[in-house]
Amino acid sequence: LAKTTQPISMDSYEGQEVNITCSHNNIATNDYITWYQQFPSQGPRFIIQGYKTKVTNEVASLFIPADRKSSTLSLPRVSLSDTAVYYCLVILQTGANNLFFGTGTRLTVIP
Amino acid sequence: DAMVIQNPRYQVTQFGKPVTLSCSQTLNHNVMYWYQQKSSQAPKLLFHYYDKDFNNEADTPDNFQSRRPNTSFCFLDIRSPGLGDAAMYLCATSREAVARPYNEQFFGPGTRLTVL
Repeated sequence: LAKTTQPISMDSYEGQEVNITCSHNNIATNDYITWYQQFPSQGPRFIIQGYKTKVTNEVASLFIPADRKSSTLSLPRVSLSDTAVYYCLVILQTGANNLFFGTGTRLTVIP
Repeated sequence: DAMVIQNPRYQVTQFGKPVTLSCSQTLNHNVMYWYQQKSSQAPKLLFHYYDKDFNNEADTPDNFQSRRPNTSFCFLDIRSPGLGDAAMYLCATSREAVARPYNEQFFGPGTRLTVL
């Protein structure tokens, strides 16, 4: 079971870079790390997925060190609209198609 | 736009009265999922379908059932809702099993269930 651990909450000012770290000590060799964003009363929305090193898309970057026991979601220059809950998931490659959302990190962006 | 649609957005039922929540998708994805999300908690996977193959999570109560009559539609049946079943129910889809790379899940807006 690839359990994830994240900080419960974070605050940031507008325009700053925000880094949210997720610990996943039991990650297996081929498991992927995925991040979702969820606004109140909406379903989660995919942000980014990675396996190792660094992945970047138009909204975020994902940094994964060599040991893969943690990962960091980086949001550049956050705005008020980035206030949401961010979930880290480890997608198991073996066994059942298990999907475990972590507790999530509630990010509040302050003007 | 292709999307995941859930109806109704809000559902009220009485204790013990069966209720059905529906989900439809225009993405033509193979996999459909049902999650339960309680207030201030993470979504919890109840079960999923890969095409017609049903996969139940080990700790999903028998009170929860699902049907997928075709690719586009999937239903969540709660046979005898209890007060503890009040939650947001989220439907999601993915093109293939998410264990494969680049198969993100697309979520619907959810149905908020109230049990009186």
